[in-house]
Amino acid sequence: DAGVTQSPTHLIKTRGQQVTLRCSPKSGHDTVSWYQQALGQGPQFIFQYYEEEERQRGNFPDRFSGHQFPNYSSELNVNALLLGDSALYLCASVPGLAGRLDEQFFGPGTRLTVL
Amino acid sequence: AQSVSQHNHHVILSEAASLELGCNYSYGGTVNLFWYVQYPGQHLQLLLKYFSGDPLVKGIKGFEAEFIKSKFSFNLRKPSVQWSDTAEYFCAGSGGSYIPTFGRGTSLIVHP
Repeated sequence: DAGVTQSPTHLIKTRGQQVTLRCSPKSGHDTVSWYQQALGQGPQFIFQYYEEEERQRGNFPDRFSGHQFPNYSSELNVNALLLGDSALYLCASVPGLAGRLDEQFFGPGTRLTVL
Repeated sequence: AQSVSQHNHHVILSEAASLELGCNYSYGGTVNLFWYVQYPGQHLQLLLKYFSGDPLVKGIKGFEAEFIKSKFSFNLRKPSVQWSDTAEYFCAGSGGSYIPTFGRGTSLIVHP
């Protein structure tokens, strides 16, 4: 079982650019959540996808958007990048929509640096 | 607003010392509480959880945490730490919406 996988591992962008991060959930999981972890901080919930729809959203601007595909994989898109978007972006998957955080598996993250 | 705070940002201990990491939460209504650990170079993983029932919960690797409702606390404890416990520890909570809120983390270094 490959667990949750994310790509790319690292990414460097400049202000104003757009970025797409990818996540494949753990086998058997159909719900994907995205988190932003700034340096020295805990993960912050961005949004959650289930059945290809955004189900819950944290306090993030519309520049952050996502998508879920029929195979449950997901993308996180960030437009008009700001320096403050530099962070580790974590993907997590869980079976079902019941919000069972104790069953949540995290991926290794994508380190985004905005210059 | 729902929040989770961790008071110790950096903790340094020697092997065999006892550990207690503080976590306080601010939630109205039902609260679910968690401790996660991130070992160097590894994924974030669940250490233990509290949903309801016995306020003393036991997790993996000898860790335990006690839910004290009157103090809004969920402190993590281990009687005797090992070098392999060196990691980043995150307290997290969720209410009825299941949207998790994480604390900023505590970096634990255990000297052999």
